[in-house]
Amino acid sequence: AQTIHQWPVAEIKAVGSPLSLGCTIKGKSSPNLYWYWQATGGTLQQLFYSITVGQVESVVQLNLSASRPKDDQFILSTEKLLLSHSGFYLCAWSLTGPNERLFFGHGTKLSVL
Amino acid sequence: GQQVQQSPTSLVLQEGENAELQCNFSTSLNSMQWFYQRPGGSLISVFYNPSGTKQSGRLTSTTVIKERRSSLHISSSQITDSGTYLCAMRGSNYNVLYFGSGTKLTVEP
Repeated sequence: AQTIHQWPVAEIKAVGSPLSLGCTIKGKSSPNLYWYWQATGGTLQQLFYSITVGQVESVVQLNLSASRPKDDQFILSTEKLLLSHSGFYLCAWSLTGPNERLFFGHGTKLSVL
Repeated sequence: GQQVQQSPTSLVLQEGENAELQCNFSTSLNSMQWFYQRPGGSLISVFYNPSGTKQSGRLTSTTVIKERRSSLHISSSQITDSGTYLCAMRGSNYNVLYFGSGTKLTVEP
């Protein structure tokens, strides 16, 4: 069975500090991977997607970057956090194709102070 | 602009009543999925329905691609159905998923 693990569960960070959020998928080879963000009370927005190792496409610009260093790992990061980065971050995976369903991790709650 | 319009924003029912949640899309879609968002924020896939009508237990989903709409019907609602339901569609770039803003369902005893 496939499992998706996100870390950390929650973070409290200072404005201007760096950030790294991670996501690992086990039990599925070469999945499509996705990062989503939701501001408190807001709508979920897709940030990035990756269909293969080393390739990441940006969907929404939020002064964040993403990388896929391994087939089963997706990293979201920034060198300098903004207050507006606060919110809930979700990682997801799917098989390749227009009709494949998405499966989500449990998310990371980020508070930037 | 907003590609996914979800309605109603909130819905309060008495236990046993039926709920009808709607999603309308402003662009052509490839497929759509319904999610339940837990209070902590994580998402559970409730229904995956690219097209047509599908039923699972008390849940029925109907997606009409040509009309760019999808609905989720919950029959005989229960208190445990309370929560936020999100619809999401894949657009022409099927690697991008667009979410609605959600329907907050409250089922009262």
